[in-house]
Amino acid sequence: SQQGEEDPQALSIQEGENATMNCSYKTSINNLQWYRQNSGRGLVHLILIRSNEREKHSGRLRVTLDTSKKSSSLLITASRAADTASYFCATDLTGNQFYFGTGTSLTVIP
Amino acid sequence: EPEVTQTPSHQVTQMGQEVILRCVPISNHLYFYWYRQILGQKVEFLVSFYNNEISEKSEIFDDQFSVERPDGSNFTLKIRSTKLEDSAMYFCASSSFSGNTIYFGEGSWLTVV
Repeated sequence: SQQGEEDPQALSIQEGENATMNCSYKTSINNLQWYRQNSGRGLVHLILIRSNEREKHSGRLRVTLDTSKKSSSLLITASRAADTASYFCATDLTGNQFYFGTGTSLTVIP
Repeated sequence: EPEVTQTPSHQVTQMGQEVILRCVPISNHLYFYWYRQILGQKVEFLVSFYNNEISEKSEIFDDQFSVERPDGSNFTLKIRSTKLEDSAMYFCASSSFSGNTIYFGEGSWLTVV
């Protein structure tokens, strides 16, 4: 299966700490996207990283991509209680069909 | 900021009934998608749509499902003869180009009873 798989499945940290989530996938991709989902809500796009990129930043978010290891990581620095959510990576094979992992449930304790 | 909007936000339907879920994608986007998420499970791809036709579909998207873009703005998902296992959150999404960022709506909760 192409599906990305995130780890850990659940992560609990104190406010102000950094949170790192990892995603692994199985086959070559064109790009990889990270999304956040608050409980019962829609998917909010965070970052897209293309297969020829190794690192991207957006505010407190840093995403890396290692195509040789077929893995990506999402780092949230200086976490806030509002960062509490599930985080998903989505990988594509064709550009039109993205596969989502099971997600990492992040809890930031105030 | 432009967004994908979906209606209804929640629908309860009797098993065997037909359901139409509606979506208004971001206005200058060309690619449209439906995904679903059964409670507690992964987000699953259903179908992608471009240039008024299906470009890709998953094995979930069987003859029970159909999509349409009837008027150039709305993008609909029709589920014929709903089953209990169709209960899920259905997400519409759109992107400007293939392989570009996909923006999702807030979803439509479908409960089949």
